[in-house]
Amino acid sequence: ETGVTQSPTHLIKTRGQQVTLRCSSQSGHNTVSWYQQALGQGPQFIFQYYREEENGRGNFPPRFSGLQFPNYSSELNVNALELDDSALYLCASRWTGNTEAFFGQGTRLTVV
Amino acid sequence: AQKITQTQPGMFVQEKEAVTLDCTYDTSDPSYGLFWYKQPSSGEMIFLIYQGSYDQQNATEGRYSLNFQKARKSANLVISASQLGDSAMYFCAMRWAAGNKLTFGGGTRVLVKP
Repeated sequence: ETGVTQSPTHLIKTRGQQVTLRCSSQSGHNTVSWYQQALGQGPQFIFQYYREEENGRGNFPPRFSGLQFPNYSSELNVNALELDDSALYLCASRWTGNTEAFFGQGTRLTVV
Repeated sequence: AQKITQTQPGMFVQEKEAVTLDCTYDTSDPSYGLFWYKQPSSGEMIFLIYQGSYDQQNATEGRYSLNFQKARKSANLVISASQLGDSAMYFCAMRWAAGNKLTFGGGTRVLVKP
């Protein structure tokens, strides 16, 4: 049990729609990162938030956006969904300066 | 740029035996951290072990140990006394000290046979 929870666990959306994925971090964790994991591959870094500000971004287009809230929750928003967005989306939280990040169980998004 | 390579896509191991999962990395930064995560079929990434680039001794956590060879840029995971519950995907990852993201390898699937 990592103390990081994501919702929903599974989601099916239609191409062109918008989706919001949610993550509740451990209390006190001021850093949250989001990753996309395509089937059979390792996770790819989307972006990171530190104290409610984005402070790092991977190679993902602007239609991937996020928010981090003072209550240690965060959101990943994806606009104009494409079929290739189908993946497991993982959030990970940590206290800056700590070593390991703690992951949630992921949200499996299917775009049809 | 950082790169993590896991050359073993899949492995079988007999229950109660040890298994070594290979991981090599490429970075020009002197300060970095290396991580191993386990991912069961449920999807959650479970942290196993961490090794800092300046750590003098190899990290150990219960049945997990990390064989860190800095000059060879290798950070192999050793699982001793394998159990059926160890069947999962295993990912090696790196984060450099000034960075923010974890860079993952492609993973190794381990199947423990009774």
